[in-house]
Amino acid sequence: GAVVSQHPSWVICKSGTSVKIECRSLDFQATTMFWYRQFPKQSLMLMATSNEGSKATYEQGVEKDKFLINHASLTLSTLTVTSAHPEDSSFYICSARAFGEGTSSGANVLTFGAGSRLTVL
Amino acid sequence: GNSVTQMEGPVTLSEEAFLTINCTYTATGYPSLFWYVQYPGEGLQLLLKATKADDKGSNKGFEATYRKETTSFHLEKGSVQVSDSAVYFCALREIGNQFYFGTGTSLTVIP
Repeated sequence: GAVVSQHPSWVICKSGTSVKIECRSLDFQATTMFWYRQFPKQSLMLMATSNEGSKATYEQGVEKDKFLINHASLTLSTLTVTSAHPEDSSFYICSARAFGEGTSSGANVLTFGAGSRLTVL
Repeated sequence: GNSVTQMEGPVTLSEEAFLTINCTYTATGYPSLFWYVQYPGEGLQLLLKATKADDKGSNKGFEATYRKETTSFHLEKGSVQVSDSAVYFCALREIGNQFYFGTGTSLTVIP
């Protein structure tokens, strides 16, 4: 089946540095990828939707200049947390929808990466 | 707006016990409902889904019925195994819109 690889799975960084998280679809082309964030004991919250070759669409309250998303190819999307601070420590997870899957069906499903745990000291 | 409320964990059960994880939702339209499972070190995987009222999703012995009257989609399994230990997420999606997830419920099954 479809596989999404996310890297790194764990990252610890100093405050003020930038961290890049990669999300790759290994055996399918993903025109759309989604980035989620989960704080402890809270829901997975959608941060942004990235479409290959165009700018990402950010959800309300998500700073686009802080969370840079690049979807340069049909198999790779990256999330860069710029000038990270301790409050950015969270679990980041990406998901992908395969090329050809429409949005008209409620049965549309996503393939998720394993997630990346970011700790900012 | 849309939201999903899921019972808090963690849940610890003995092997062969009956499992219920409650999930209720709020939606403006007619969503599809999902249960995702995340095994340790892996990504979320679709466990089962239901696209309309009274549909029952089932997979690997797990079942959930889309109850519009109670806006619920409770996950059940008659006899859990150690290998079912994971985090379970309830989610909804309306046509053309994003997914909304619950907080996740951690299940540990002990031999």
